Amino acid sequence: QKEVEQNSGPLSVPEGAIASLNCTYSDRGSQSFFWYRQYSGKSPELIMFIYSNGDKEDGRFTAQLNKASQYVSLLIRDSQPSDSATYLCAVHLSGYSTLTFGKGTMLLVSP
Amino acid sequence: EAQVTQNPRYLITVTGKKLTVTCSQNMNHEYMSWYRQDPGLGLRQIYYSMNVEVTDKGDVPEGYKVSRKEKRNFPLILESPSPNQTSLYFCASRPTGTGPYRQYFGPGTRLTVT
Repeated sequence: QKEVEQNSGPLSVPEGAIASLNCTYSDRGSQSFFWYRQYSGKSPELIMFIYSNGDKEDGRFTAQLNKASQYVSLLIRDSQPSDSATYLCAVHLSGYSTLTFGKGTMLLVSP
Repeated sequence: EAQVTQNPRYLITVTGKKLTVTCSQNMNHEYMSWYRQDPGLGLRQIYYSMNVEVTDKGDVPEGYKVSRKEKRNFPLILESPSPNQTSLYFCASRPTGTGPYRQYFGPGTRLTVT
């Protein structure tokens, strides 16, 4: 059973703070990892993907991957109220085309 | 513009009245998929297709049918909708292969079955 676990939240942070979103996965064969942002009632939009151990930075976003611990995280620096959304972690297992999604973490950024 | 389109965007129907939600992508992707999203349950996969005429069940296929006669289209069919199929539905597509390929989502279809 392939599982992707996220804390449902809400995670509340003040504007300008760093938001840290976490995701664990059960299958060691997982190869690629994706973070999607979803506003209420809208479709998920890709923020970042990562497939190598370590950090990957893109603007205010940093994805971190630790395959030994089966852990992937997303850091959002200088959080803005417009970052308030649900963040979905998705995992791609090698040999499969299907992405397995976590249930998402709701982030609330207060002004 | 690369996109996945769905129609209709909103639909209210009655129990038992057959309906079809269309999905089309213009990126020549082999893989297409349908999800439903319900509060607290996240995205759950209904069916997916690896290519034309190749479809397979996802996690929650009961009550749904799909077909893949053309590469660009992947309609979702509810032969006899029931109230428990009231949900937000997303179609998605991506290339197949082992790379970290982005999955594109359609805008969603909000279905209400009374």
